[in-house]
Amino acid sequence: DIVMTQTPLSLSVTPGQPASISCKSSQSLLHSDGKTYLFWYLQKAGQSPQLLIYEVSNRFSGVPDRFSGSGSGTDFTLEISRVEAEDVGVYYCMESIHLPLYTFGQGTKLEIK
Amino acid sequence: QVQLVQSGAEVKKPGASVKVSCKASGYTFSAYYIHWVRQAPGQGLEWMGWINPNSGGTNYAEKFQARVTMTRDMSINTIYMELSRLRSDDTGVYFCAREWTIGGFDIWGQGTMVSVSS
Repeated sequence: DIVMTQTPLSLSVTPGQPASISCKSSQSLLHSDGKTYLFWYLQKAGQSPQLLIYEVSNRFSGVPDRFSGSGSGTDFTLEISRVEAEDVGVYYCMESIHLPLYTFGQGTKLEIK
Repeated sequence: QVQLVQSGAEVKKPGASVKVSCKASGYTFSAYYIHWVRQAPGQGLEWMGWINPNSGGTNYAEKFQARVTMTRDMSINTIYMELSRLRSDDTGVYFCAREWTIGGFDIWGQGTMVSVSS
């Protein structure tokens, strides 16, 4: 089974400062179709998760451009260029290469200083 | 408006079953897989499985394989997730989510709280 490991598990950021979350998978997420099936979700307190980034680096509709995703193979990063108060919540990476199964990372809690 | 609306909170005793519904609207029901994701109190997200509303085909995480059944009723655009032989550690919020692209869950239900306690 694939294991998705996120670091850090929590971070506290001053508004306007950048933030970075790492996600490492135990196996490559590069599919033979050329796509890499790594996704990022944000779950705000009391809400359902929301899709931020799909296939490593593509921002989903309506996601601010301060969010960016990068990486390849087994190492991936979500970056927020300038954190805002509304970015508070828990961020999850998720893989979907080993269909029909899907695996989430354990989550990273972002707080504002 | 594209949305998934889930049924209300449930309280069950250990050993019982629970059936949660997820009603889709605003899009072609048969065109998108629906997944179920669980979240125990204060914990992370756990993928449970999916159903293809068009064919009724399903696939479940090994952890839930023996206890979960996902079905659909195409006449009312509704997906169901039934979990049997409930235990206290099944307590949590259950979400349904539409899979827009492989791995991309773009629409989520509001979540259904299931509490299992004697």
